[in-house]
Amino acid sequence: AQSVTQPDIHITVSEGASLELRCNYSYGATPYLFWYVQSPGQGLQLLLKYFSGDTLVQGIKGFEAEFKRSQSSFNLRKPSVHWSDAAEYFCAVGLTGGGNKLTFGTGTQLKVEL
Amino acid sequence: DAGVIQSPRHEVTEMGQEVTLRCKPISGHNSLFWYRQTMMRGLELLIYFNNNVPIDDSGMPEDRFSAKMPNASFSTLKIQPSEPRDSAVYFCASSSETSVDEQFFGPGTRLTVL
Repeated sequence: AQSVTQPDIHITVSEGASLELRCNYSYGATPYLFWYVQSPGQGLQLLLKYFSGDTLVQGIKGFEAEFKRSQSSFNLRKPSVHWSDAAEYFCAVGLTGGGNKLTFGTGTQLKVEL
Repeated sequence: DAGVIQSPRHEVTEMGQEVTLRCKPISGHNSLFWYRQTMMRGLELLIYFNNNVPIDDSGMPEDRFSAKMPNASFSTLKIQPSEPRDSAVYFCASSSETSVDEQFFGPGTRLTVL
């Protein structure tokens, strides 16, 4: 069965600094990979997704993620963090095909210092 | 598109009472997912439906929990009898075959069982 690991439970960065959130997955084939963001009191919103092709994917709000097959990783990055980026971030992996369930990581809580 | 709609947004009830959470998926989506989120256990998949049929209910914690999807535009999650440990935020999400595993989340129902 597939699994997702987000090794960092909490991360604090200063506004304007760069950000990288780590995600590692375990799956036999090339998975579908997702990053979601959850603001306090809200549902999860999709930031970006990777299915195939270019390993560097761009998402909303200036985020990007890079799929590295050799490292089984799909780390999320942002060059300059804004205070409004403070939220919880979830990495998820899905099986190939539509309508299947996702396996979510435990989440990384991002705090942004002004 | 109104997105995934959940009701109620907040529910406070007493132990032993029946609780019914409701979800309306995005029109045209054929998969529906129920999640529970708590501080202790994170985001857990309870059950998911594909074309109104339950596919995987292995995440349903016990017999007190039941879910139905009588048609493509409506689903319920029922807890009977409710217990304080059921207090959590319950999310509904939907996806379509064309969205390739991307799930769209509702705003959640915050359940408090006293």
